[in-house]
Amino acid sequence: DTAVSQTPKYLVTQMGNDKSIKCEQNLGHDTMYWYKQDSKKFLKIMFSYNNKELIINETVPNRFSPKSPDKAHLNLHINSLELGDSAVYFCASSQGEGSGEQYFGPGTRLTVT
Amino acid sequence: QKEVEQNSGPLSVPEGAIASLNCTYSDRGSQSFFWYRQYSGKSPELIMSIYSNGDKEDGRFTAQLNKASQYVSLLIRDSQPSDSATYLCAVREPVDSSYKLIFGSGTRLLVRP
Repeated sequence: DTAVSQTPKYLVTQMGNDKSIKCEQNLGHDTMYWYKQDSKKFLKIMFSYNNKELIINETVPNRFSPKSPDKAHLNLHINSLELGDSAVYFCASSQGEGSGEQYFGPGTRLTVT
Repeated sequence: QKEVEQNSGPLSVPEGAIASLNCTYSDRGSQSFFWYRQYSGKSPELIMSIYSNGDKEDGRFTAQLNKASQYVSLLIRDSQPSDSATYLCAVREPVDSSYKLIFGSGTRLLVRP
């Protein structure tokens, strides 16, 4: 059973489109995260939710909107995609707000053309 | 700007040798430190956490922390080709700041058979 799953694994789309990435965890964790890993492999936090409440909202364009329908799910919607949004997006979860012991999903490779 | 610095490598060691990976961090108030391993095309995986000065051993891995020098290291004994991966150092911001994990850019380790 996959602990943290993401869909889709790959996403290729054109500039200006809107797309969503979904994440689910079955670990019973109460905190979930979205990270972006760019081409230089830098892994940077975007958002964090604890029990459906937004607790970290980094300086991310407001074209990115997270949504947590329940504590096992965290989705990421991106409007008006730009070339610079191309990256790998990882979902992660942890038990406890801000725990550094995080479990990552397999990632979604987004390519904007 | 709070930073976590790592040498990007690659660090090349022969099979059976000790690999030593180093990390420095800028925020003196940080209390929690983590090492993640990321194979090419895969997601980061937690391998060690350390919270107190000194050494912490887990199998072939030893994490070392020196808060006075703001320095964290990871030693891998009896290195195997399967250890070839990028190792990410992560530092949790102080509790009174935020709960973010700040990642270094990673050190690529190559273990030669």
